[in-house]
Amino acid sequence: EPEVTQTPSHQVTQMGQEVILRCVPISNHLYFYWYRQILGQKVEFLVSFYNNEISEKSEIFDDQFSVERPDGSNFTLKIRSTKLEDSAMYFCASSETTGGAFGYTFGSGTRLTVV
Amino acid sequence: QKEVEQDPGPLSVPEGAIVSLNCTYSNSAFQYFMWYRQYSRKGPELLMYTYSSGNKEDGRFTAQVDKSSKYISLFIRDSQPSDSATYLCAMKEFTDSWGKFQFGAGTQVVVTP
Repeated sequence: EPEVTQTPSHQVTQMGQEVILRCVPISNHLYFYWYRQILGQKVEFLVSFYNNEISEKSEIFDDQFSVERPDGSNFTLKIRSTKLEDSAMYFCASSETTGGAFGYTFGSGTRLTVV
Repeated sequence: QKEVEQDPGPLSVPEGAIVSLNCTYSNSAFQYFMWYRQYSRKGPELLMYTYSSGNKEDGRFTAQVDKSSKYISLFIRDSQPSDSATYLCAMKEFTDSWGKFQFGAGTQVVVTP
């Protein structure tokens, strides 16, 4: 069954450093998303991406964050100048249909630990 | 008031029992409803989706939506120890074209052999 692949599975970084989280969505999907889940809290929407541009973003997704589809397969989330409160699981997801009306396929996540 | 409320559990049931999960919501614009299963340290896995009031069945799973009461449910029949996981409800507005789902906090389910 097709899956969304995320790397690395765990990233430890020092506060103030930049990190790039990588995702390979399902090949025929056109809509891409990043969500995060702080330990013990809800899964939270960060951003959706379609046709090489951001289609919607949450208030969490400020100037510290950026997304990019650098080639035909990868989808990345960059976090500049990381803070302790950025520590969370970051999930990439993709969907075939607009708005994920039939749900997303999520990756297994990247656990980001900021020390 | 939180937009999506879900009892965090844990909900412990014996193997073979029916698991009953629910979420309430306050935003009447929510029209798309999903249930995901999440194993520890894994990504959410889609179980069911629906956008109409009433029941939808898929194998051992039944999703129920009551838009008038702003209440959705998931029932798991003949529960197995492998059903032990956290179950997340998620929903989005009809007018949202870009897939911004609001998730519940998740209910932890433990099925004991």
